[in-house]
Amino acid sequence: GAVVSQHPSRVICKSGTSVKIECRSLDFQATTMFWYRQFPKQSLMLMATSNEGSKATYEQGVEKDKFLINHASLTLSTLTVTSAHPEDSSFYICSAMGEVGGAFSGANVLTFGAGSRLTVL
Amino acid sequence: AQKITQTQPGMFVQEKEAVTLDCTYDTSDQSYGLFWYKQPSSGEMIFLIYQGSYDEQNATEGRYSLNFQKARKSANLVISASQLGDSAMYFCAMRMDSSYKLIFGSGTRLLVRP
Repeated sequence: GAVVSQHPSRVICKSGTSVKIECRSLDFQATTMFWYRQFPKQSLMLMATSNEGSKATYEQGVEKDKFLINHASLTLSTLTVTSAHPEDSSFYICSAMGEVGGAFSGANVLTFGAGSRLTVL
Repeated sequence: AQKITQTQPGMFVQEKEAVTLDCTYDTSDQSYGLFWYKQPSSGEMIFLIYQGSYDEQNATEGRYSLNFQKARKSANLVISASQLGDSAMYFCAMRMDSSYKLIFGSGTRLLVRP
């Protein structure tokens, strides 16, 4: 089946530093990856859509310069939180979409990573 | 604009009983998909079931079934024979076939009582 690995699962950093989160599709090529943010006890909010080899498309209200997204290969997308502040503390989840074994399932199911919990002190 | 609404912030169910989690949606698109995900306390998103807008039959996956009423724009999840391990957050989500973006509802926290 399709597996998405997200790393790190937990990260604690100081205010003002940058943090990079990786999202890898392990057994399929992900042409599109999505990044979500989830505050405690709230729903997932879509931040951006990234397509391999092109610039990410950000949702309204998401700061492009704060959340840098790179999708340089068909198996890797990265989210960099730049100059992190305590209000950036959150749970970040990626999901990937692509062909598994040469064909989509009929459901076009997106595969999610396990998430990354960021705490900015 | 697309919107997903889950009106039950929390639900209780007795072990071995069935429970229905409500989900309504709003879209002007004709082609879309509806999903249910389970999120345990660990945070991972577990795919449960999918229903396409053109599917005439309600989707079923083991103990999960989706009660799809297109005219009412509802896609309720039915969990039969609840188990203690079913305790988690449940999210309904919608994807437009034109964009592939998933939009999530606010979620329902289900607690299964022994």
